[in-house]
Amino acid sequence: KAGVTQTPRYLIKTRGQQVTLSCSPISGHRSVSWYQQTPGQGLQFLFEYFSETQRNKGNFPGRFSGRQFSNSRSEMNVSTLELGDSALYLCASSPIQGHGYTFGSGTRLTVV
Amino acid sequence: KNQVEQSPQSLIILEGKNCTLQCNYTVSPFSNLRWYKQDTGRGPVSLTIMTFSENTKSNGRYTATLDADTKQSSLHITASQLSDSASYICVVSANSGNTPLVFGKGTRLSVIA
Repeated sequence: KAGVTQTPRYLIKTRGQQVTLSCSPISGHRSVSWYQQTPGQGLQFLFEYFSETQRNKGNFPGRFSGRQFSNSRSEMNVSTLELGDSALYLCASSPIQGHGYTFGSGTRLTVV
Repeated sequence: KNQVEQSPQSLIILEGKNCTLQCNYTVSPFSNLRWYKQDTGRGPVSLTIMTFSENTKSNGRYTATLDADTKQSSLHITASQLSDSASYICVVSANSGNTPLVFGKGTRLSVIA
């Protein structure tokens, strides 16, 4: 059974650009959530999608957005990148909200 | 406010020794508590999950305990190996479908030869 797949694994962008990250959940999982991880802050919740609807949102600016498709795959977009957006972005999937989260290996974003 | 506090922040132990990591939480209403292991640059991998009624759960050399009354959990690692070097993150779920997971900041464990 394939795990949670995140692409790309590494990304380098310049300030002001935008970026789109992709997450393919485990087959049959309908909930996908996104997290930002930095050395100083640990894991911080960005948002969660279930059945193509955003169910929860963390305390991040509107530059961070996401969506979920009918096949449960999800994308996260960050516009007008800032140096502070450099982080490991993790996606996790679950059969239902609140239970059984499995994480992907993450996308390492570096903003220069 | 829902919070998860972990201690110590970092720990260095000799290979073969045991260690215990601590997690205190204030998440309410409580649903379950998980311990994850995260290798550098990788995603977290679940070690154990415990619900309100469980107070001990083992996964090989990892044993987690939960005291729901004092809202404390511990992760005990027995006969540590070099491959145990990682961050260990305590994560608590609230018993509410619309509340996201609450993460601790993790304990960075280094096992040295």
